[in-house]
Amino acid sequence: AQSVTQLGSHVSVSEGALVLLRCNYSSSVPPYLFWYVQYPNQGLQLLLKYTTGATLVKGINGFEAEFKKSETSFHLTKPSAHMSDAAEYFCAVSDQNQGGKLIFGQGTELSVKP
Amino acid sequence: DAGVTQSPTHLIKTRGQQVTLRCSPKSGHDTVSWYQQALGQGPQFIFQYYEEEERQRGNFPDRFSGHQFPNYSSELNVNALLLGDSALYLCASSFYSGNSAYEQYFGPGTRLTVT
Repeated sequence: AQSVTQLGSHVSVSEGALVLLRCNYSSSVPPYLFWYVQYPNQGLQLLLKYTTGATLVKGINGFEAEFKKSETSFHLTKPSAHMSDAAEYFCAVSDQNQGGKLIFGQGTELSVKP
Repeated sequence: DAGVTQSPTHLIKTRGQQVTLRCSPKSGHDTVSWYQQALGQGPQFIFQYYEEEERQRGNFPDRFSGHQFPNYSSELNVNALLLGDSALYLCASSFYSGNSAYEQYFGPGTRLTVT
């Protein structure tokens, strides 16, 4: 069975500081990996995804993530945090053969201090 | 181009009642998935519909059922509501390809409160 673990339910950074949100996954088959962002009282918006090919993927709003198979990780980073980045972030995994079933982590709430 | 839309936005029901939630997918999408997001938790997969059939199902009881219409819109029905069914219900649409490479677009959700 697939699973996702997000380390840290809450992360706080200062504006302009590096953002690092951690995600580890478990999958018996090559996974597809996703990061979604959720703003208060809204649905989920896709930030980026890894399917095949280049292991460093770039997403919207300056975010990027690196797929490390040996570490079963897919951490999300952004060089410089902005106040508007404050939100809930979810890492998700999907089996290539599952046709779209996403398994989500518990989420990490990102706070950005001025 | 309208994205994924859901109705109603909020709903309050009493234990034991039944509820129907609705979802219209993004234009060009033919697959609808439903997720339940309890407060402070990540979304959990309920089921997925494609070609008006349930293609996959998560670990949810039979009280949760769904339907997909020829225009690809979908309904989620929950019978015999329990307090624990209180959650944000998210609909996501995608283009079916047999694998999950295609991204899912999420709607804003329906907030269900069971009292």
